[in-house]
Amino acid sequence: ETFLTQSPDTLSLSPGESVTLSCRASQSIVASYLAWYQKKPGQAPRLLLFGASNRAAGIPDRFRGSGSGTDFTLTISRLEPEDFAVYYCQQCYSSPYTFGQGTKLEMK
Amino acid sequence: QVALQQWGTELLKPSETLSLTCTISGGSFSGHYCGWVRQPPGKGLEWLGEINRSGNTDYSPSLKGRLTLSVDTSNNEFSLRLASVTAADTGSYFCARRVRESSPSSIYYYYYYLDVWGRGTTVTVS
Repeated sequence: ETFLTQSPDTLSLSPGESVTLSCRASQSIVASYLAWYQKKPGQAPRLLLFGASNRAAGIPDRFRGSGSGTDFTLTISRLEPEDFAVYYCQQCYSSPYTFGQGTKLEMK
Repeated sequence: QVALQQWGTELLKPSETLSLTCTISGGSFSGHYCGWVRQPPGKGLEWLGEINRSGNTDYSPSLKGRLTLSVDTSNNEFSLRLASVTAADTGSYFCARRVRESSPSSIYYYYYYLDVWGRGTTVTVS
């Protein structure tokens, strides 16, 4: 099983700031099978990025992803109030298709 | 616009069987999978398994044989059954379309991701 470890667990930031979230895999995965999701309370998860760096439809270019092998990052520039949420990475390279534990972005 | 509708049992007693159904509108599962994900209260997302229209399945080993996914192609409905539930199975359950898309950068790899999600069903075992 491939474990994904996200860091940090929680971040407190202000609107307008930028942030980089990390997702580290316990074994190497092909980037095309790595996705990022945004989750808000009471809502379904929302796809942000697929293939590690490809933005889903309607996702602003403030969201950027990169990485390969075992290390992947999600960078959000110029945080907007609606960006404060929990972010999850998921790998679909090997079954079971695991999620990271999530990084909570909270407003300072 | 593609949307997933899901419905099913919301309140169960321990040892009962959870049943959920998911269907799609404005789009298709053809060539893709129906995945299931849950989130216990205050915890993260957990992948449960997936099934395609041909009935090919993949399950999380953590559910230890309690999970059964099925498909009714005539009604375009995908179903989840989780047997012998306990309080640990309480949470929000989501169905999602797991896309399989060719990668332009490689003939060997694909993009796999969950692009459309149901609104979720809150399940309580008590």
